[in-house]
Amino acid sequence: GAGVSQSPRYKVAKRGQDVALRCDPISGHVSLFWYQQALGQGPEFLTYFQNEAQLDKSGLPSDRFFAERPEGSVSTLKIQRTQQEDSAVYLCASSYPGREALAKNIQYFGAGTRLSVL
Amino acid sequence: AQTVTQSQPEMSVQEAETVTLSCTYDTSESDYYLFWYKQPPSRQMILVIRQEAYKQQNATENRFSVNFQKAAKSFSLKISDSQLGDAAMYFCAYRGGQETSGSRLTFGEGTQLTVNP
Repeated sequence: GAGVSQSPRYKVAKRGQDVALRCDPISGHVSLFWYQQALGQGPEFLTYFQNEAQLDKSGLPSDRFFAERPEGSVSTLKIQRTQQEDSAVYLCASSYPGREALAKNIQYFGAGTRLSVL
Repeated sequence: AQTVTQSQPEMSVQEAETVTLSCTYDTSESDYYLFWYKQPPSRQMILVIRQEAYKQQNATENRFSVNFQKAAKSFSLKISDSQLGDAAMYFCAYRGGQETSGSRLTFGEGTQLTVNP
């Protein structure tokens, strides 16, 4: 696609409910990132994929958070048993990180999913 | 760990005037990249400008330029001839230069820029 696509745009969940957020990266982009952005704050790193391999999940705040990218394209961020503190915008970004192009490795962001947990 | 600090939560500028947004960072790496992203109400992060730490020359993109002071670990953004469409939240971001350090971006807290007509 022309850009990074995220769905849904908005999600309202009741506390304790499971949610799944989808990210469709730019076609051909190898790397995919998830960030969490609390209201009025800068985004914070959650996890990183290179193709289907999850190379870094150190930013996931708890074991309720799980991300996957089974075919190296679309990714899903799943949050189990949502809590009020999970309310945030979840941003996805993709990039093409070829070694020779590392200096030009730019992350392109989607418009995010705003999650509200009631 | 790397940290990025933006000390100006809000800034305002008159249309057609110039404004400078501040950013400082802390790192022990010698090779890294710095970015300014713009986030309008639509929430989509848009890259404004980037700077490679090994380059002494300050990056420039049309009306946007940076003042990169490596020794002081400072990376400010100057917007010249401000336009109404420049109004947004601006984030300064850092990325390490080595693949082993990861490709993640570390963001500052953001500066909300208002452009007054």
